[in-house]
Amino acid sequence: NAGVTQTPKFQVLKTGQSMTLQCAQDMNHNSMYWYRQDPGMGLRLIYYSASEGTTDKGEVPNGYNVSRLNKREFSLRLESAAPSQTSVYFCASSDWGRSTYNSPLHFGNGTRLTVT
Amino acid sequence: GNSVTQMEGPVTLSEEAFLTINCTYTATGYPSLFWYVQYPGEGLQLLLKATKADDKGSNKGFEATYRKETTSFHLEKGSVQVSDSAVYFCALSVYNFNKFYFGSGTKLNVKP
Repeated sequence: NAGVTQTPKFQVLKTGQSMTLQCAQDMNHNSMYWYRQDPGMGLRLIYYSASEGTTDKGEVPNGYNVSRLNKREFSLRLESAAPSQTSVYFCASSDWGRSTYNSPLHFGNGTRLTVT
Repeated sequence: GNSVTQMEGPVTLSEEAFLTINCTYTATGYPSLFWYVQYPGEGLQLLLKATKADDKGSNKGFEATYRKETTSFHLEKGSVQVSDSAVYFCALSVYNFNKFYFGSGTKLNVKP
């Protein structure tokens, strides 16, 4: 049981380049999330998707786009990377719902992105 | 609004010492509370959770009690090991909101 799988694990980009971070979960969860983790700032929500076909902005959506391709997959795209987007990116999924509101998040192992 | 505040680190302890990491929260609705642990180079893993007032979550010797009167969910362990060295995050989710709110994390260093 793989859980949440993220690719790539590491990436170096130059300013202005674009890339897509991939995430897939095999737990049949409805909800998926993208977070970034920066030193001293904990985790900040970029975007989330409550179900297939829906996406919503989190705390720090500027400079990012997302696609919920199907129930399993949720990708994060940087159209024109900036040094401020150097971070560790985590994808997560949850069985959250009105009747399962106490379901926890399950995290992938992260993508370490450096923008030079 | 909804937020989580946890004690700043790093916390440095000797092996077999008692651990407390403080966590307090504010919530606009009825919260569920979680502790996650992150080992170097890895993602966050659920350590324990509590879903109603006075519930005690426990796992691997760690415990935390959901205290509604003090809006707290402090993490404790009676005797830490070197292998407990990691970053610990307190988090909450609120009924009717499909979002999770995280504290800034507390790094724990345990020395032999």
